[in-house]
Amino acid sequence: RKEVEQDPGPFNVPEGATVAFNCTYSNSASQSFFWYRQDCRKEPKLLMSVYSSGNEDGRFTAQLNRASQYISLLIRDSKLSDSATYLCVVNDESGGYQKVTFGTGTKLQVIP
Amino acid sequence: GAVVSQHPSWVICKSGTSVKIECRSLDFQATTMFWYRQFPKQSLMLMATSNEGSKATYEQGVEKDKFLINHASLTLSTLTVTSAHPEDSSFYICSASTRGSFDYGYTFGSGTRLTVV
Repeated sequence: RKEVEQDPGPFNVPEGATVAFNCTYSNSASQSFFWYRQDCRKEPKLLMSVYSSGNEDGRFTAQLNRASQYISLLIRDSKLSDSATYLCVVNDESGGYQKVTFGTGTKLQVIP
Repeated sequence: GAVVSQHPSWVICKSGTSVKIECRSLDFQATTMFWYRQFPKQSLMLMATSNEGSKATYEQGVEKDKFLINHASLTLSTLTVTSAHPEDSSFYICSASTRGSFDYGYTFGSGTRLTVV
């Protein structure tokens, strides 16, 4: 089993739709989780951290389910500008050293 | 916010030459730097993790003698691709964190597109 798994997509959704991505992780001791957005040929940019209680930032909602070891990202009212690859990132820290693992990314294409 | 400056943005070099890529944290101390590469249409793959003042930890399959990493200060880490070959052509990105601040994610450099001809 991969350490971090995502459905690569692509997810093609119409403008205004609601779309959700899941990401599973294998290490039950993983400590922190993030969603990043990567546009074509650019570096990833932090979209949001994922907190245990779930968190929302405008049209974006992130959830963490430790029991089932997955995180999710919900995008409401999709915009054309949301088209990108969404990367799930899991952080493990042990003995003061960090390890960051990326999922393969889920490609989202919002169509007019 | 935290900024990581990475350069060069792109480089074309001849096969057999070495290329150095620099990443600098501009307004924070980066105790840990990560180096990734990304081939077209693939995800970021971690190459190595470097902690300031200690040797880098390389991921399985990454040759440490080929990809030299130096993290000599809290604001600078370098990746040198030695004796580059066309198969080393890729997008190389660094990211940085300050221990204890991982809740805020990681700051990425803008990446270096390396083409070896």
